[in-house]
Amino acid sequence: DTGVSQNPRHKITKRGQNVTFRCDPISEHNRLYWYRQTLGQGPEFLTYFQNEAQLEKSRLLSDRFSAERPKGSFSTLEIQRTEQGDSAMYLCASSFESRATEAFFGQGTRLTVV
Amino acid sequence: GENVEQHPSTLSVQEGDSAVIKCTYSDSASNYFPWYKQELGKGPQLIIDIRSNVGEKKDQRIAVTLNKTAKHFSLHITETQPEDSAVYFCAALTPPRADKLIFGTGTRLQVFP
Repeated sequence: DTGVSQNPRHKITKRGQNVTFRCDPISEHNRLYWYRQTLGQGPEFLTYFQNEAQLEKSRLLSDRFSAERPKGSFSTLEIQRTEQGDSAMYLCASSFESRATEAFFGQGTRLTVV
Repeated sequence: GENVEQHPSTLSVQEGDSAVIKCTYSDSASNYFPWYKQELGKGPQLIIDIRSNVGEKKDQRIAVTLNKTAKHFSLHITETQPEDSAVYFCAALTPPRADKLIFGTGTRLQVFP
């Protein structure tokens, strides 16, 4: 499968715990994006990387959230001290820099904080 | 900042009928408008897009129209089939921020056989 891969698909965690999600983009893509989607809403931009550089962070990304892309390939999104309001689908997408408008999404990681 | 409104939130049609979903954007500088289809448990899939220098684009049963003056764009699906049932999202991109899509709130389309 050469699409965007996200793991895990589902995560249930207790409030206050830390969680980490992984995204493997399409191999030739140098841009990687994280979005959050809550029930009944469209995806909301969180952050994006060009290669290993994190170029922008949304104000939605509080200091409990951190994203990395250490080698310009896969990326991780960590949420510390999870809250119930963090429950959402976390989507990763990737694209070529030259064709940033054509972003391909992964299947997402659904986080439930109980 | 850019805001995208999408209507209707739900749409039910009989198989074979047409479906139209409409979006309005706020920033006149927006120049790229993709449409995504999201099936249950899956990520959004790009199905068609249009750029601001084009008024209409068609791909088989799917078409998108853009009215820059009114800041409206619409998705048209003809000869709907049950497998078209999904949630559809419109989005907009505004330069120079060619990296952040602003999505509408989605339309749940149900096609009844």
